[in-house]
Amino acid sequence: ETGVTQSPTHLIKTRGQQVTLRCSSQSGHNTVSWYQQALGQGPQFIFQYYREEENGRGNFPPRFSGLQFPNYSSELNVNALELDDSALYLCATQRGSSTDTQYFGPGTRLTVL
Amino acid sequence: SQQGEEDPQALSIQEGENATMNCSYKTSINNLQWYRQNSGRGLVHLILIRSNEREKHSGRLRVTLDTSKKSSSLLITASRAADTASYFCATDDNAGKSTFGDGTTLTVKP
Repeated sequence: ETGVTQSPTHLIKTRGQQVTLRCSSQSGHNTVSWYQQALGQGPQFIFQYYREEENGRGNFPPRFSGLQFPNYSSELNVNALELDDSALYLCATQRGSSTDTQYFGPGTRLTVL
Repeated sequence: SQQGEEDPQALSIQEGENATMNCSYKTSINNLQWYRQNSGRGLVHLILIRSNEREKHSGRLRVTLDTSKKSSSLLITASRAADTASYFCATDDNAGKSTFGDGTTLTVKP
């Protein structure tokens, strides 16, 4: 157990809908990163938040957006869902430094029909 | 394309044997990390090796890093059936972004 939780565990949506995924961080972890993992592939970096500010973004369109709250929990929002958005979404938290270990949550499995 | 690429894609061994997985990357890094993932669940951190380190050990795990060849290896000694999982390397850049490869799927037969 890493102390990082994600909700919901599973989610089914239809094309065009919007979804919000949530992540709670370990105590003292002020940095959160979100990843998308398609079946059979490695996680792909979506973006990172540090102290409530976006701190780097991967190659994902603007319909992927995020928030980090004062308690360092985080949300990932995806608008206008597409079939290819079906994946496991992982969040990872760490203490501020980029040299620190990331601790991953169990993920949210999103299926877009 | 992915920064880190693992080799082989799949590895099947008998319990008690050693398993070696390799990772190659393309650009300069701050750190390289190895993770394990069981059946589409969350990633479990195994080892972090910094760019100025050459080797690290943790229990039955040994990681090497060769920055001149831009490669790393993960050795699992005396493997067990419970080691069956996918193993990923991830490289960390100056901005704290982690780039993962597509992993090596290890099967350890009892």
